[in-house]
Amino acid sequence: SQQGEEDPQALSIQEGENATMNCSYKTSINNLQWYRQNSGRGLVHLILIRSNEREKHSGRLRVTLDTSKKSSSLLITASRAADTASYFCATENNAGNMLTFGGGTRLMVKP
Amino acid sequence: KAGVTQTPRYLIKTRGQQVTLSCSPISGHRSVSWYQQTPGQGLQFLFEYFSETQRNKGNFPGRFSGRQFSNSRSEMNVSTLELGDSALYLCASSFSGQTTGFVGQYFGPGTRLTVT
Repeated sequence: SQQGEEDPQALSIQEGENATMNCSYKTSINNLQWYRQNSGRGLVHLILIRSNEREKHSGRLRVTLDTSKKSSSLLITASRAADTASYFCATENNAGNMLTFGGGTRLMVKP
Repeated sequence: KAGVTQTPRYLIKTRGQQVTLSCSPISGHRSVSWYQQTPGQGLQFLFEYFSETQRNKGNFPGRFSGRQFSNSRSEMNVSTLELGDSALYLCASSFSGQTTGFVGQYFGPGTRLTVT
């Protein structure tokens, strides 16, 4: 079963705008990761944030984690048409290499 | 380094048949995980293998099984296929088998299985 929910399920923005996606989860975690998937292909790992971290940056990506609220957000700044994809959050708990995914956010960036 | 490869990429099978999917991890990666992706259930963890041993298992029936070879290549098998097994099956590999060293998984392109 899925760990939690992602919000919104779909997001449509113009190129250059920022995109924010939210993820909630249910159980305690070791880390939370964000992945991108283009058109039903394989997933690409974007960023990992550990449970003792609150914010992390990677290029145009900014991830926050609030373990008290069991939630995370992914911000993509200055979006590009090439950012059009589905974005998934995934949590890893103490069981090891077993990811539990959210339902995903479909992002469309219009040129 | 070559990425994770999965074969075949597309497969059509008939209900009741069995199927074997193959995954070759990134060189040096010892952990291989399998996931099923469907429009209804999303991405769900099937199982993980590390050093030829199944270390984690998701909530799937016994018809779904897997194994890992000494070169870390992995196969998953689905017996007595059902229509609901139609899905994208994704394999992922990672370098570290330890939670503290986990840095993310590298996914293959997937095998799209259609059961008719």
